[in-house]
Amino acid sequence: ETGVTQSPTHLIKTRGQQVTLRCSSQSGHNTVSWYQQALGQGPQFIFQYYREEENGRGNFPPRFSGLQFPNYSSELNVNALELDDSALYLCASSLSREDGSETQYFGPGTRLLVL
Amino acid sequence: RKEVEQDPGPFNVPEGATVAFNCTYSNSASQSFFWYRQDCRKEPKLLMSVYSSGNEDGRFTAQLNRASQYISLLIRDSKLSDSATYLCVVIPKARFGGGFKTIFGAGTRLFVKA
Repeated sequence: ETGVTQSPTHLIKTRGQQVTLRCSSQSGHNTVSWYQQALGQGPQFIFQYYREEENGRGNFPPRFSGLQFPNYSSELNVNALELDDSALYLCASSLSREDGSETQYFGPGTRLLVL
Repeated sequence: RKEVEQDPGPFNVPEGATVAFNCTYSNSASQSFFWYRQDCRKEPKLLMSVYSSGNEDGRFTAQLNRASQYISLLIRDSKLSDSATYLCVVIPKARFGGGFKTIFGAGTRLFVKA
């Protein structure tokens, strides 16, 4: 196992609600990335946090926000949920290298269904 | 044009076959490349990094062609357990300086049959 955990495993929400997903990184890792994976697609990069600051962001609107805590655990918050937000949300932890070549270890994901 | 493109497949091959996947990327300044494997309803797991000189791990060989902007994965002597979706990953730029991101391809599905 990767040592990366996510909670909850499954979640059902309705349109317009807000959701918070959580991730605990592998011990010693200082970087966490969040991805959205729709059915039949590859993971889409949402953003990455390095030492509690956002280090990069994909093409997601501002209603997707995140936090990284001093213990390197992380949250993904999504406001004003839309039906298209239904997906598997993955977090991945890593120990940053300057060229980005580090291995990312994924958690099992949270399956979000928006009705 | 997508930043990273893969043939979605599916590839249906018999046990023992050799199968190759390609992945093309659009940003010529891309820095790092990987192949991940994802089983049905599971998280992606790193299969191997891809280096300019090519690298091999048992039955798996990965190659990078910077001039043509593609990476490849070759699986020899396919096993039933190789059935999965194979995702290529491209990191377009170095970490520091802002704008860091990771780009996954949509994945290629492989079915290995007895």
